Amino acid sequence: EAQVTQNPRYLITVTGKKLTVTCSQNMNHEYMSWYRQDPGLGLRQIYYSMNVEVTDKGDVPEGYKVSRKEKRNFPLILESPSPNQTSLYFCASSFTGNSPLHFGNGTRLTVT
Amino acid sequence: AQKITQTQPGMFVQEKEAVTLDCTYDTSDQSYGLFWYKQPSSGEMIFLIYQGSYDEQNATEGRYSLNFQKARKSANLVISASQLGDSAMYFCAMRERTAGGTSYGKLTFGQGTILTVHP
Repeated sequence: EAQVTQNPRYLITVTGKKLTVTCSQNMNHEYMSWYRQDPGLGLRQIYYSMNVEVTDKGDVPEGYKVSRKEKRNFPLILESPSPNQTSLYFCASSFTGNSPLHFGNGTRLTVT
Repeated sequence: AQKITQTQPGMFVQEKEAVTLDCTYDTSDQSYGLFWYKQPSSGEMIFLIYQGSYDEQNATEGRYSLNFQKARKSANLVISASQLGDSAMYFCAMRERTAGGTSYGKLTFGQGTILTVHP
């Protein structure tokens, strides 16, 4: 089944404890990206990747890192999480930069 | 300035009636793409419809159509014959090229409109 898989679905952590949210797609998509969803703000793009080893900042990259060592994986890293990073996170992929996105099921992160 | 504006935080419609969800956008690029996504209460994001800036015809996908008015920079979603299962949050989004670039990496979403369909 074609899908974007994010893990974990739920994560509660404490301020400053490094964490990684994994994202994997099995559709051979070139484009992958991360978003955070907050009430009243819609989805905001954190980082995106046009292809392997090519990443770029979205609108809210501060406090996040990403890497794209393989085509299928695009992990989101929070080196030192803070409470303002409590949010619902989505990973998404598409064939190209201008084709519809396929979204993962989301990761609800709480930082206390 | 907001790149994507959805002015209706909430909309109500009677089952079987049509409803229009508004979306206006702001870009100086001539080449861009517009998308609508649906997010039910279960949380997943579902792609509904796409309109390219150079497409001359309005996009349609089943009960969904996009009323694209380029000069007004609006891309309203029309849902015909509403069903109870259409109750959800709807997001308008725009894909555009990065400044000075050729790749369509940046994607901006509106704040969303919550649609409630009444029986």
